[in-house]
Amino acid sequence: DVVMTQSPLSLSVTPGQPASISCKSSQSLLYSDGKSYLYWYLQKPGQPPQLLIYEASNRFSGAPDRFSGSGSGTDFTLKLSRVEAEDVGIYYCMQSIQLPWTFGQGTKVEIK
Amino acid sequence: EVQLVESGGGLVQPGGSLRLSCAASEFTFSFDWMTWIRQAPGKGLEWVANIKRDGSEKYYVDSVKGRFSISRDNAKNSLYLQMNSLRAEDTAIYYCAVPGIGHWGQGTLVTVSS
Repeated sequence: DVVMTQSPLSLSVTPGQPASISCKSSQSLLYSDGKSYLYWYLQKPGQPPQLLIYEASNRFSGAPDRFSGSGSGTDFTLKLSRVEAEDVGIYYCMQSIQLPWTFGQGTKVEIK
Repeated sequence: EVQLVESGGGLVQPGGSLRLSCAASEFTFSFDWMTWIRQAPGKGLEWVANIKRDGSEKYYVDSVKGRFSISRDNAKNSLYLQMNSLRAEDTAIYYCAVPGIGHWGQGTLVTVSS
């Protein structure tokens, strides 16, 4: 199975400041079509996950432009340019290049 | 409009069975793959099963193989998860989803306990 390792596991951020979350996979997520099958989700309390970034670097429609994704192969990063209060929750990365699809452990983001 | 509505969760004894259903919008159901993902209380996300649009391919996480069965009825835009021989560790919120395009239901809670 592809192991997804996120860091840090928790983050406390001052509103207006940037933040970043790392996701490393145990195998390359780069497929022969040139896409990396890595997704970023935010799960707010009591809600299902919401998609932020697909295929490593494409912002999903409706996701604020302060979210960006980068990386390829085995190293990926989610960046928030300026954290806002509504960004609190747990962030997950997920790979879908190989079954079973697997998720990172989650990164809990809180506001200072 | 994106719509995925799960039903069928509840309290069941160990060894029992449940059948989850997911009613999808025609738009969502037109995609190639449908997925069940679960989340144990206070824990992370776990992929459970996938089914191809024509039902010809089905895949499961090892922990549910031989106990769970995914199926779909394209005429009804519905996805199902038959869960047999349930264990305490199957307790979770079960989401139906097309996660790669951001389509998720609100989930249905399955509790396995005596």
